[in-house]
Amino acid sequence: RKEVEQDPGPFNVPEGATVAFNCTYSNSASQSFFWYRQDCRKEPKLLMSVYSSGNEDGRFTAQLNRASQYISLLIRDSKLSDSATYLCVVNIPNTGNQFYFGTGTSLTVIP
Amino acid sequence: SQTIHQWPATLVQPVGSPLSLECTVEGTSNPNLYWYRQAAGRGLQLLFYSVGIGQISSEVPQNLSASRPQDRQFILSSKKLLLSDSGFYLCACNRGRNEKLFFGSGTQLSVL
Repeated sequence: RKEVEQDPGPFNVPEGATVAFNCTYSNSASQSFFWYRQDCRKEPKLLMSVYSSGNEDGRFTAQLNRASQYISLLIRDSKLSDSATYLCVVNIPNTGNQFYFGTGTSLTVIP
Repeated sequence: SQTIHQWPATLVQPVGSPLSLECTVEGTSNPNLYWYRQAAGRGLQLLFYSVGIGQISSEVPQNLSASRPQDRQFILSSKKLLLSDSGFYLCACNRGRNEKLFFGSGTQLSVL
């Protein structure tokens, strides 16, 4: 069983749409959670950390549900520049690997 | 904030040739350093991590090795490349083991 699972998509949405991604994790000892954005052939870049109380950064909102062991990312008013792959990342302390990455969800925003 | 320098950006190597990828970090001291590989259409796989000079932990058995000769230098090597070594190699760092990761710009390695 994978530590982190994401719907790979692709999600194709029109400009201005709202889109949501979910990610589930299997280890209840997971402590920290992150969303990264990765453009084609580029390195992943931190989009936002995910806090227990939920957090918002402009058009982006992240939520954490520890009981159901999933995190979500909501993008409002999608822009063409939001087209990328979004990686869900979970940190499990005291494990060698420490960071577990989802395979990513592909988003294409269409004009 | 830290800056991660990774080079080269792209590399084409024949099977059986050696490999050396270098990563250096600026703007922080005593970072945790990581080498990841991302195969086409797949998630990031941790290859090695290091919490200090000369301290290397390997996550998966493989054809590669890593070294950390200086605090902010991390090197990924191979004596003889295999076709299966092709992929996107990323160096990353963080200050604490539970803190968010920052990545270098990556090296796209093609073994032919």
